[in-house]
Amino acid sequence: AQTVTQSQPEMSVQEAETVTLSCTYDTSENNYYLFWYKQPPSRQMILVIRQEAYKQQNATENRFSVNFQKAAKSFSLKISDSQLGDTAMYFCAFIPSNTGKLIFGQGTTLQVKP
Amino acid sequence: KAGVTQTPRYLIKTRGQQVTLSCSPISGHRSVSWYQQTPGQGLQFLFEYFSETQRNKGNFPGRFSGRQFSNSRSEMNVSTLELGDSALYLCASSSVAGAPGGELFFGEGSRLTVL
Repeated sequence: AQTVTQSQPEMSVQEAETVTLSCTYDTSENNYYLFWYKQPPSRQMILVIRQEAYKQQNATENRFSVNFQKAAKSFSLKISDSQLGDTAMYFCAFIPSNTGKLIFGQGTTLQVKP
Repeated sequence: KAGVTQTPRYLIKTRGQQVTLSCSPISGHRSVSWYQQTPGQGLQFLFEYFSETQRNKGNFPGRFSGRQFSNSRSEMNVSTLELGDSALYLCASSSVAGAPGGELFFGEGSRLTVL
């Protein structure tokens, strides 16, 4: 079965600090994509960052970066210089090649405190 | 460019009724997928449509159905509603079938409450 596990239901961080959200997944596929999505209280899901499984280099988008460990099937998200606007639920997800089906983790609620 | 638009945003139904939700994708996007979000089950894939054809389907009963029109707008229908169908239904669009790059753009969702 293809699954995604986020072991931290809730996290909090002080503004301007760094926080890491954990994610592990299970798949027998060799070619897939991994993502972190952000769902603010307004509910619209927004893509934060994505990683192609065949690329060894970790993806980076401004203050957001990932630590992708393919062998360990681990895909953590690091948010640097946390801002109040980062408060949201974060979902880790992956999509097996060309299936169009995103498989999501249960989500981590992140609160950034002033 | 307008984003993904879902209507209605909120609705209340009673058990046994049916409901139709609508999704207009981003202009030019031909792939539309639907997800159900509940506190207990999280986000679960319902189905994906591309060029009016269903490409993939999740593990939901036959009461859940969908379709896509020639203008790429999509509807999903749930018949014989059950209390457990109460959820946020999210629609996402993509410019390519299967979204291999995973660039899905989500709408704000339709919040369905079944009483």
